[in-house]
Amino acid sequence: SQQGEEDPQALSIQEGENATMNCSYKTSINNLQWYRQNSGRGLVHLILIRSNEREKHSGRLRVTLDTSKKSSSLLITASRAADTASYFCATDQDSGYALNFGKGTSLLVTP
Amino acid sequence: AAGVIQSPRHLIKEKRETATLKCYPIPRHDTVYWYQQGPGQDPQFLISFYEKMQSDKGSIPDRFSAQQFSDYHSELNMSSLELGDSALYFCASSLGSSGTYEQYFGPGTRLTVT
Repeated sequence: SQQGEEDPQALSIQEGENATMNCSYKTSINNLQWYRQNSGRGLVHLILIRSNEREKHSGRLRVTLDTSKKSSSLLITASRAADTASYFCATDQDSGYALNFGKGTSLLVTP
Repeated sequence: AAGVIQSPRHLIKEKRETATLKCYPIPRHDTVYWYQQGPGQDPQFLISFYEKMQSDKGSIPDRFSAQQFSDYHSELNMSSLELGDSALYFCASSLGSSGTYEQYFGPGTRLTVT
């Protein structure tokens, strides 16, 4: 994988709290995407942020991108137990559209 | 809305056997990607096809091959299976010709090699 680490690897919070996950990458990118995966299930596309964007919102999700630091963050506000899942960031590369995934953050939201 | 379809959903094979995984992209999507996700690992890109031609190649073993057919469905052929091939195999599709980068993933095929 061309990706760096995601941080934290695991996060446990209570319902109603906010969850912040960070992702770093190594190469220049066109876009960065965040995906969610429930245990052993498929990957669900959450949000895409282009390399010339700094912040993007979608419902309770807020994504930031700092290309100078090669990092991104995903904020989930007012978390719910149903948000419990693994969250991956993924980048494409200048040379193509194949995705490079980070290691993922495992989020547990307790009622 | 129609999603990516993968079959079979579960597959159990023995070492040295062969396996074929199928992927049916979202209608009108012209690009298909294959990813492998080992237990507790992040997905790793294997190979992709755009308009029936191989467009990119990742960490796909030589024992594996894939193709995209005229109806845009794709098949991943795996031969001489090894225990380490046990993983979730995802197919994703996108509309590459539109410059859209979002990839939509299927539910995956869980392959177990015994």
